[in-house]
Amino acid sequence: QVQLQESGPGLVKPSETLSLTCTVSGGSISSDYWSWIRQPPGKGLEWIGYIYYSGSTNYNPSLTSRVTMSIDASKNQFSLKLSSVTAADTAVYYCARDQGTVLSPWGQGTLVTVSS
Amino acid sequence: QLVLTQSPSASASLGASVKLTCTLSSGHSSFAIAWHQQQPEKGPRYLMKLNSDGSHSKGDGIPDRFSGSSSGAERYLTISSLQSEDEADYYCQTWGSGIRVFGGGTKLTVL
Repeated sequence: QVQLQESGPGLVKPSETLSLTCTVSGGSISSDYWSWIRQPPGKGLEWIGYIYYSGSTNYNPSLTSRVTMSIDASKNQFSLKLSSVTAADTAVYYCARDQGTVLSPWGQGTLVTVSS
Repeated sequence: QLVLTQSPSASASLGASVKLTCTLSSGHSSFAIAWHQQQPEKGPRYLMKLNSDGSHSKGDGIPDRFSGSSSGAERYLTISSLQSEDEADYYCQTWGSGIRVFGGGTKLTVL
């Protein structure tokens, strides 16, 4: 079955750009949508945005000015970039297959801390 | 605006049943939702998609103890025969106009 794994730096300095990659195994990335979601420590889930396999994207209006997503079908990976980060961007970041409606499955998540 | 509202906490005894509620904002009572479970220190797991008529489709491996139902703008998740591993956060999620929305989550304590 499809599995997802997030990877990237666990520590990012304020004002810099957070970059994460999600590797999909057990299935092709060339179908469905693919979403990023985050969860600040002790808080709830926040949808960041999705990318379709064609490359089209849609972002959370609250983050759209800072978010860029891309997809690399040859590597079965999709990526997230979040610019100008602050401490408020400290969170566990999850990737998930987005079936246009429900999100399933999810990756295990990766903690990104924004600190100097 | 598409908003999902959940009670912050719920509790029930081991072996009992509990019903969690997710309420859709005004004008969105026909929307389907999904339920996700997040056990402590783990990533979320998809439980089921729940339609406005109460029909639902569960994810792979989700026990029969988990069921869903609907009434108006409310969507319910019922867990029967509660087990210790059901102690978790439960999130509802929906979609519309190209965005995905989460409820604030309900923390379920199994007594």
